[in-house]
Amino acid sequence: QKEVEQNSGPLSVPEGAIASLNCTYSDRVSQSFFWYRQYSGKSPELIMSIYSNGDKEDGRFTAQLNKASQYVSLLIRDSQPSDSATYLCAVMGNTGGFKTIFGAGTRLFVKA
Amino acid sequence: EAGVVQSPRYKIIEKKQPVAFWCNPISGHNTLYWYLQNLGQGPELLIRYENEEAVDDSQLPKDRFSAERLKGVDSTLKIQPAELGDSAVYLCASSPGAEGTGELFFGEGSRLTVL
Repeated sequence: QKEVEQNSGPLSVPEGAIASLNCTYSDRVSQSFFWYRQYSGKSPELIMSIYSNGDKEDGRFTAQLNKASQYVSLLIRDSQPSDSATYLCAVMGNTGGFKTIFGAGTRLFVKA
Repeated sequence: EAGVVQSPRYKIIEKKQPVAFWCNPISGHNTLYWYLQNLGQGPELLIRYENEEAVDDSQLPKDRFSAERLKGVDSTLKIQPAELGDSAVYLCASSPGAEGTGELFFGEGSRLTVL
């Protein structure tokens, strides 16, 4: 079992729709959770961080965390073609000294 | 504020040749990371520094890879000798502190092609 698992996609949504990206993790003592966006040929860029159960909203982005289910999600409302990218889920836990582990990413395509 | 700076952006070498990558983190960031990213995969940690101390190098292939962070600022990652399988993007990232929020700030990466 991979430590951080994501559906590789591609996930295709029409412009204006809600894109829902999911991530599960295996380390129960994980403390911090992140979503990074990576455009093709570019480096990852942090878009959301979440540390406690529940929802966290920032503009069109909402991160959701459920530690009991070891599940993190990212919702993108009113999806735009410029949101087309790979979204990486990252988890930081206490084991291994605050190591941040990344999933393989989900490719998102937003069709105009 | 300047971001994480890496060089070179691209490097093409023949197998068995050495190669080195350089990283300058965001000013004031004590924690520096080197990640490797293969196409279609997420970044994989090679080494993490707290100031000048390598606190996690468990994933660094020490037979051919080495890294240093002199004076706790700039860092260099070296591969000698390079193998075909080392072709990847080498990402440097920094974050503010040892027990901070964990948010990473990445440089643009160094793309290595080994022929």
